[in-house]
Amino acid sequence: QSALTQPASVSGSPGQSITISCTGTSSDVGTYNYVSWYQHHPRKAPKLMIYDVSTRPSGVSNRFSGSKSGNTASLTISGLQAEDEADYYCSSYTSSSTLVFGGGTKLTVL
Amino acid sequence: QLQMQESGPGLVKASETLSLTCAVSGGSISSTSYYWGWFRQPPGKGLAWIGSINYSGNTYYTPSLKSRVTISIDASKNQFSLKLTSVTAADTAVYYCAKSSRYDFWGLIDYWGQGTLVTVSS
Repeated sequence: QSALTQPASVSGSPGQSITISCTGTSSDVGTYNYVSWYQHHPRKAPKLMIYDVSTRPSGVSNRFSGSKSGNTASLTISGLQAEDEADYYCSSYTSSSTLVFGGGTKLTVL
Repeated sequence: QLQMQESGPGLVKASETLSLTCAVSGGSISSTSYYWGWFRQPPGKGLAWIGSINYSGNTYYTPSLKSRVTISIDASKNQFSLKLTSVTAADTAVYYCAKSSRYDFWGLIDYWGQGTLVTVSS
């Protein structure tokens, strides 16, 4: 199984909005509404931000939103804040009954 | 509040078996509804799923590791374990355990351990 494709890095200024893409195939993202997004600060536990494409777990800010179109899912962060600076990973269920991750995107808040 | 803590040797020799345990506190591992999983992140690389198990013993593994991996549950100790045989330098990574608070192993993975670094030495 191939990893999902994410941009290596994105950046934005405080208060701005950014979008991170996650491209898969018809065997994963394109068929199943089981895309999740994780925020990962170095040396900390990953944190679930979005699951099932667009559902926010309890306690996650509504500045984080998810969507999907075809084989590409997206994470949008609005009103960018300094503490949003982290690595972000997408994941998807696959037709092989496995879980595949993206390569990760480093978000820099300028 | 559920807590998860990985433990095991931080250094493993090449060709030997990597063994890690994830101790669960603040909740029971015996719920048949939840999946318990292992993930890893090699230095400078991204997160990757290794495999998951539920209390009923249903297991799923990533294809590239399936021949070398075993995940098991010890309900009496409220913990689950990872064994990875014939390790090489490519298995050097931070290993995380995590829980999916739902009937499947791919969504709502909302509890994670802090991770433990395992280095494979030649």
